[in-house]
Amino acid sequence: AQTVTQSQPEMSVQEAETVTLSCTYDTSESDYYLFWYKQPPSRQMILVIRQEAYKQQNATENRFSVNFQKAAKSFSLKISDSQLGDAAMYFCAYWANTNAGKSTFGDGTTLTVKP
Amino acid sequence: KAGVTQTPRYLIKTRGQQVTLSCSPISGHRSVSWYQQTPGQGLQFLFEYFSETQRNKGNFPGRFSGRQFSNSRSEMNVSTLELGDSALYLCASSLAVGTYEQYFGPGTRLTVT
Repeated sequence: AQTVTQSQPEMSVQEAETVTLSCTYDTSESDYYLFWYKQPPSRQMILVIRQEAYKQQNATENRFSVNFQKAAKSFSLKISDSQLGDAAMYFCAYWANTNAGKSTFGDGTTLTVKP
Repeated sequence: KAGVTQTPRYLIKTRGQQVTLSCSPISGHRSVSWYQQTPGQGLQFLFEYFSETQRNKGNFPGRFSGRQFSNSRSEMNVSTLELGDSALYLCASSLAVGTYEQYFGPGTRLTVT
């Protein structure tokens, strides 16, 4: 079974600084996708960034980037120039093509941004 | 485009009752997935529907069921409610063809007393 592990229950960062959230996963699949979602206190889950496993290039979306290490099964999220609005719970998620519509989530990391 | 909508947003039920939650996906999306979110268990996959067919199911008892209509709207039903069913139920939709991004609704907060 696929598992997703986020080893940091809580992280904090100073506004304008950079923070990295860690995620590891376990799978025997070769064709899959990885995601980072953000869930602010309002509870609406928002897709932050996604990575296709077959792509070697790390995905980037503005201030958000990932470090995808396929052999190590590691998928970390880097947030640059942190803003107060980045404060939220961040979930790492995995989706295999053989398991349509099913995302497996980590337990989440609560990010606090200090002004 | 309108996002994923879920109704109702909040619900209070008594043990033993049943409940039906509704989800309307983003226009054009044909896949709808349901998740249960609790502080203790995190986000757990319930089931996924595509073109009115259940394609995938999580490890939940048979009290949890769902369906999808021809317009892709989906409902999930929980019968014989238990206190442990108190949770945030999230619905997510995706195109399901060519892209694998899921877009989540705001959720339905179910409280069982």
